[in-house]
Amino acid sequence: EAGVAQSPRYKIIEKRQSVAFWCNPISGHATLYWYQQILGQGPKLLIQFQNNGVVDDSQLPKDRFSAERLKGVDSTLKIQPAKLEDSAVYLCASSSGRAGEYSNQPQHFGDGTRLSIL
Amino acid sequence: AQTVTQSQPEMSVQEAETVTLSCTYDTSESDYYLFWYKQPPSRQMILVIRQEAYKQQNATENRFSVNFQKAAKSFSLKISDSQLGDAAMYFCAYRGLYNAGGTSYGKLTFGQGTILTVHP
Repeated sequence: EAGVAQSPRYKIIEKRQSVAFWCNPISGHATLYWYQQILGQGPKLLIQFQNNGVVDDSQLPKDRFSAERLKGVDSTLKIQPAKLEDSAVYLCASSSGRAGEYSNQPQHFGDGTRLSIL
Repeated sequence: AQTVTQSQPEMSVQEAETVTLSCTYDTSESDYYLFWYKQPPSRQMILVIRQEAYKQQNATENRFSVNFQKAAKSFSLKISDSQLGDAAMYFCAYRGLYNAGGTSYGKLTFGQGTILTVHP
């Protein structure tokens, strides 16, 4: 089974520039997550999709961050404009299960994209 | 909001010895799930072990086991016969049930992590 794919692995940009990350979840996984992991901290959920609908984006800074999941498969996360405090690893994860199904199914993580803001 | 606390920023263990990583959480729910994830340096986060709150029996996975104390809201991870490959950042995570717009879903909250060093 192929895992969660993310690209790029690394990205360096200057503040105020824009950047986009891509994620392809495990085939058949309905739920997709984007996390922000600042160095030395645990991941923080930014947004959660169920198929192509958003179920939780309460911690997404919507003035600069946006995300979409077209056709309920791949997803992109965009930052525009980037700030210094956005330097972090951005993790994508996916899990099986449907909305309303509460189970112990784990999330499977990608390798992440390490973003550095100069 | 649920919180997860890992009070040990760093731990170390000798190869073949046993080490225990601590985790406490705060919740008012009775039904939830707990997980331990491992994140090696610059590598993918992977699931180590999971525990359902309604199960009294502690979960085990080979050399990994947990001590789940529901009343105390404690969920520690024990690694037996430690190996060099166990060196990583370990995260404790809580999955609670949330509702939004008529949709129920689970959401993970992570602790701050514990860096485990294994000495040969």
